[in-house]
Amino acid sequence: GENVEQHPSTLSVQEGDSAVIKCTYSDSASNYFPWYKQELGKRPQLIIDIRSNVGEKKDQRIAVTLNKTAKHFSLHITETQPEDSAVYFCAASKYNFNKFYFGSGTKLNVKP
Amino acid sequence: DTEVTQTPKHLVMGMTNKKSLKCEQHMGHRAMYWYKQKAKKPPELMFVYSYEKLSINESVPSRFSPECPNSSLLNLHLHALQPEDSALYLCASSQEDGLAGGTYNEQFFGPGTRLTVL
Repeated sequence: GENVEQHPSTLSVQEGDSAVIKCTYSDSASNYFPWYKQELGKRPQLIIDIRSNVGEKKDQRIAVTLNKTAKHFSLHITETQPEDSAVYFCAASKYNFNKFYFGSGTKLNVKP
Repeated sequence: DTEVTQTPKHLVMGMTNKKSLKCEQHMGHRAMYWYKQKAKKPPELMFVYSYEKLSINESVPSRFSPECPNSSLLNLHLHALQPEDSALYLCASSQEDGLAGGTYNEQFFGPGTRLTVL
C-alpha cells in the first residue's frame, strides 16, 4: 500500500517568514495530493490540492509543488500570519480509489 | 450546501452503553467515510461506503458497526466500547464520479463527534 511521510513534525517561524512542509509518497500510481489544515478541536479543512498532471499550483499565499519523478510534494506558505498556526496534513490518493493516505502532520507555530 | 454535518458534537458513554453517531451531507457525494482521530495524530480510516455499499473496512473491531441508510446519511453504531476508543470521530464525503472533473476527489470533513468512553 501507499506510505506517506511528512516532515518536519513541528515548525516554528516568525510572522512574515515563509514555511515549507514536505511529504514523500511511495506509490507511483497516486495522482491526487491534498493538503489539510486542522486547527485545535476543529475539522481538517482542505486548503489546496494538486493532481499529477501539474507540477505547481498557487492560491494567494499558499502553493504546492509536485515532483512525480522523486515522488515528493511540498506546501509553501509565504508571509505567514499567526492565524496560519495549526496542524497541517498532507495526503495521497489514486483516481477513483476511495482511500486517502495521510502524513503524520506538521504543527506550525507562527510567532507574532 | 457544501457542508457535512455530524451529531452529536460530544458524547460520553459507559462501556456497556449503545449509542450512534450520525453524519449527513447534501452535496450528492456517493462516497462517505468514517475516520477516527486521536490527539496529535492524522485521521485513521475506519470505513468507506461507495454508492451506499460498504467498500472498505479497515479491520475495525465489531463493536463499531457502520450503516448507510441512504446516499445522504451515514451512521456509526457503538456498542461495548473501551476507554481507548475515546477519540474524535470524523465523517467525510467525496464525489465518486471521476468523469465529472473538477475536484472530484476532494474530501469534505464534518466537524466531528468528540467521544469519551468511561
